[in-house]
Amino acid sequence: EAGVAQSPRYKIIEKRQSVAFWCNPISGHATLYWYQQILGQGPKLLIQFQNNGVVDDSQLPKDRFSAERLKGVDSTLKIQPAKLEDSAVYLCASSLGLIQETQYFGPGTRLLVL
Amino acid sequence: EDKVVQSPLSLVVHEGDTVTLNCSYEVTNFRSLLWYKQEKKAPTFLFMLTSSGIEKKSGRLSSILDKKELFSILNITATQTGDSAIYLCVVEDSNYQLIWGAGTKLIIKP
Repeated sequence: EAGVAQSPRYKIIEKRQSVAFWCNPISGHATLYWYQQILGQGPKLLIQFQNNGVVDDSQLPKDRFSAERLKGVDSTLKIQPAKLEDSAVYLCASSLGLIQETQYFGPGTRLLVL
Repeated sequence: EDKVVQSPLSLVVHEGDTVTLNCSYEVTNFRSLLWYKQEKKAPTFLFMLTSSGIEKKSGRLSSILDKKELFSILNITATQTGDSAIYLCVVEDSNYQLIWGAGTKLIIKP
């Protein structure tokens, strides 16, 4: 079974530039999560999708971050414009259902904002 | 291909028992190994291990890494119902990529 795929693996941009990350969850998984993990901290949930609907985006900085999952499969997370403090690893995870299901994590995308 | 394997996949014990969770890995360019506890959505950080043989402790939880045999264990003593969670092991490689284990689902019965 293929795992959660993410791209790119790394991205280096300058502040005020835009960046987009892509995630392809495990086939058949209805729920998709985006996390931000800053060095030395645990992951922070940015947004959770159930199929193509948003379940939780309470911690998403909506002035600069956006995410979509148009067909209920893969998803993109965009930052526009990026700030220095956005430097982090962006993790995508998926799970079969919505409630207390095991999440499977992707390898992450490491973003460095200069 | 790099991989992280956790065992057991699930475990049910009684309150007060001691549990040992296992994590073995095959990662080409090992950098660190991390343990997380996941109860709801976001995992919470427990330990980061980089050196062999040095035990890390936090209350009833402890963990140790063996870089020669390529594994780590997470011990929880005097378990409580609040320890019920999924415990995730993840290895970070030298390119800062994260290779996640499937997790161990731990259930503590009162």
